Amino acid sequence: EVQLLESGGGLVQPGGSLRLSCAASRFDFTNAAMSWVRQAPGRGLEWVSTVAPNGVVTYYADSVKGRFTISRDNSKNTLFLQMDSLRVEDTALYFCVLNGGDFPNIYAFDQWGQGTLLTVSS
Amino acid sequence: EIVMTQSPATLSVSPGERATLSCRASRSVSTILAWYQHKPGQAPRLLIYGASTRFTGVPARFSGSGSGTEFTLTISSLQSEDFAVYYCQQYSEWPRTFGQGTKVAIK
Repeated sequence: EVQLLESGGGLVQPGGSLRLSCAASRFDFTNAAMSWVRQAPGRGLEWVSTVAPNGVVTYYADSVKGRFTISRDNSKNTLFLQMDSLRVEDTALYFCVLNGGDFPNIYAFDQWGQGTLLTVSS
Repeated sequence: EIVMTQSPATLSVSPGERATLSCRASRSVSTILAWYQHKPGQAPRLLIYGASTRFTGVPARFSGSGSGTEFTLTISSLQSEDFAVYYCQQYSEWPRTFGQGTKVAIK
């Protein structure tokens, strides 16, 4: 069974930075596209970012472009999300997600972690 | 971006009854659409991809249909474990976009 374990969430002041991590196991991480999806309190799901298996091709939602950076370490089966210039509206539960498909075809969000909570507040 | 609109916002259904959820895309996504189930405190779960293909392990009472801009998720006979929020999502274009969700509640 696929395992995705997020960590790194916490309380940060507006303008601050934080890096989320996701430890992946029990699937071929090296050949999988991976994503971050978030859910703000009382709101729906919002796609944040996706990275191709090679770590070179990346995609971002406009709401985080230029502030967040997705990356991966295939040698350690770990996905990252570096979040800078954080805003109150970035407060959310952040899910690490395994995409279906074979790059360059990136499909639905097949498997999800339990999430890690980011709170941006002064 | 493609805007996904779900209706209704809340659907009150009795156990054993059929539930029909709708999703509309602002422009055609062909059949490049997925449905997810999300329960409080749990990870979201992929139910349907390709508009109508059940994901591994998803019970047959869940079915998806539609193409282009109009889609439907049907739960043929609601079980207690099916009360949750359901989201549609297109993966035809970037940015990926979700509908706002339909809450299926106990009547």
